[in-house]
Amino acid sequence: GESVGLHLPTLSVQEGDNSIINCAYSNSASDYFIWYKQESGKGPQFIIDIRSNMDKRQGQRVTVLLNKTVKHLSLQIAATQPGDSAVYFCATGGDSSYKLIFGSGTRLLVRP
Amino acid sequence: DTAVSQTPKYLVTQMGNDKSIKCEQNLGHDTMYWYKQDSKKFLKIMFSYNNKELIINETVPNRFSPKSPDKAHLNLHINSLELGDSAVYFCASSRGTGPNQPQHFGDGTRLSIL
Repeated sequence: GESVGLHLPTLSVQEGDNSIINCAYSNSASDYFIWYKQESGKGPQFIIDIRSNMDKRQGQRVTVLLNKTVKHLSLQIAATQPGDSAVYFCATGGDSSYKLIFGSGTRLLVRP
Repeated sequence: DTAVSQTPKYLVTQMGNDKSIKCEQNLGHDTMYWYKQDSKKFLKIMFSYNNKELIINETVPNRFSPKSPDKAHLNLHINSLELGDSAVYFCASSRGTGPNQPQHFGDGTRLSIL
């Protein structure tokens, strides 16, 4: 079956440093990848997405990198701020892009 | 101007009861979803409707019955609640079912079964 996994359950970074959150997926047919941020008591919030025909996409302070060869996805957050503290999920579009398979989440803690 | 809104935010009830959760989106989206998030934060899709038609029905007990009266609403009714139903239930919507359709989530309904 399809699975999406994360390498680290918790990531602690110093404010101002860059953060890298990693994600591995198993379905080579996945062609849509998306990162969500979930703050305490809130629903997942869309951050950035990428299609399989790209290997990098940049947003505001965030970059998503896709390595299809090793089925790996990462989210880079530049100059991490206290407001970035949250649980981050990667998700992949499986057989149909609208059906998302979510990873188990990484908790990002930002130290002042 | 909440995009996806769910009610209630918290629901505490006894085992065996029947309860409903409501969801409304004002984004003009065609597709809506229900997810269940367990205590370990794992998010799993339960149902999806596109233009009021059921398109995803994962392995969910038939005690759970979604209903979509129109494109902007997707409600979830749960019969004979069990302890294992305790979780946070999220509603989401997307513009359609094609690629590049990020899903937008509500803030969840925390269901606690006593």
